[in-house]
Amino acid sequence: QKEVEQDPGPLSVPEGAIVSLNCTYSNSAFQYFMWYRQYSRKGPELLMYTYSSGNKEDGRFTAQVDKSSKYISLFIRDSQPSDSATYLCAMRETNDYKLSFGAGTTVTVRA
Amino acid sequence: GAGVSQSPSNKVTEKGKDVELRCDPISGHTALYWYRQSLGQGLEFLIYFQGNSAPDKSGLPSDRFSAERTGGSVSTLTIQRTQQEDSAVYLCASSLAGGPHEQYFGPGTRLTVT
Repeated sequence: QKEVEQDPGPLSVPEGAIVSLNCTYSNSAFQYFMWYRQYSRKGPELLMYTYSSGNKEDGRFTAQVDKSSKYISLFIRDSQPSDSATYLCAMRETNDYKLSFGAGTTVTVRA
Repeated sequence: GAGVSQSPSNKVTEKGKDVELRCDPISGHTALYWYRQSLGQGLEFLIYFQGNSAPDKSGLPSDRFSAERTGGSVSTLTIQRTQQEDSAVYLCASSLAGGPHEQYFGPGTRLTVT
């Protein structure tokens, strides 16, 4: 079993819809949770960064962490065609530099 | 400012040949990471350099893989006697310092072994 599980999709939604992405993990020592966005033929770029449990909102993006369930989510409101990309969850233990990544979910937002 | 750059962007090689992949980190970043991204897989950690400390090579999949970092800046990942299962995108990232700092990724080198 992988340390971080993420449904690869693909996910296709109409413009304006809410996109819901999630990951589950097995390592209870993970404390920092990240979402990266990766456009085709580009490197991942950090989108959201959350410590421990709770919610974090940044514009149209909301990240949620439920450590009791070992489950994290990313919501994209009012999705745009420019949001079409692969979204990767990543996480790490406190004071560690190693990131553990999910496989990534490919999202297409249809105009 | 300039981001992380990698070269070549694409590399096609025959099975059994050696390849070298290059990474130029962001100026001033002391930490450098190499990852491998295979189709349908997440990023797999390969190796980590921080300053003058001994590198963390725990993610290298076999002794055919090696990496060095010269002068605390440019890094080269070398794969000897390439195999078809080495085909993947190799990503380099750098961060301001070691430990829990944001990692900035380069565009990757897409390696195809025929």
